[in-house]
Amino acid sequence: AQSVTQPDIHITVSEGASLELRCNYSYGATPYLFWYVQSPGQGLQLLLKYFSGDTLVQGIKGFEAEFKRSQSSFNLRKPSVHWSDAAEYFCAVANTGNQFYFGTGTSLTVIP
Amino acid sequence: EAGVVQSPRYKIIEKKQPVAFWCNPISGHNTLYWYRQNLGQGPELLIRYENEEAVDDSQLPKDRFSAERLKGVDSTLKIQPAELGDSAVYLCASSPTGGRVTGELFFGEGSRLTVL
Repeated sequence: AQSVTQPDIHITVSEGASLELRCNYSYGATPYLFWYVQSPGQGLQLLLKYFSGDTLVQGIKGFEAEFKRSQSSFNLRKPSVHWSDAAEYFCAVANTGNQFYFGTGTSLTVIP
Repeated sequence: EAGVVQSPRYKIIEKKQPVAFWCNPISGHNTLYWYRQNLGQGPELLIRYENEEAVDDSQLPKDRFSAERLKGVDSTLKIQPAELGDSAVYLCASSPTGGRVTGELFFGEGSRLTVL
């Protein structure tokens, strides 16, 4: 069965510092991988996705993620965090049958 | 283009009362999902529709939850009777793909249910 692990429940970074959010997945075949962001009281917004091809994918708001098959990871990165990036971040894996599995999320706090 | 629309945004009810949530997906999106999100958790699937057919409802508590998607467009999720543990955010999402083709999910803003 597919599953997603986000080992960091909460991360605090200073504005302007770099960010890396970890995501590990469990899936037997090549996965479809996603990162979503959720601001308080809002739905989830897609940041980026990996389906195939280049393992480094670029997303919106300056985010990028790298798919590492050998580590079963899809970590999200941003070189310089802005105060508006404070939110909840969810990693998800999907199979070819449109079944999505979400991690428990990482809450990001940005210190001015 | 309008996004996924959900209503109501907030609902407070007493336990044992019924409640219903409505979702209108993005036009042309054949696949519709209902998720439940508990506080501090990720979304968990309740039911997935492809057009008007429920193709995955294995996680739907069928003793009290029901859903329908008449005409394969908008959808309603009902809880009757509600229990304290049903307090959560109910998210609707739609996708332009279906079958064996996986695409991204587009989410609505959610309906927050509080059961007293």
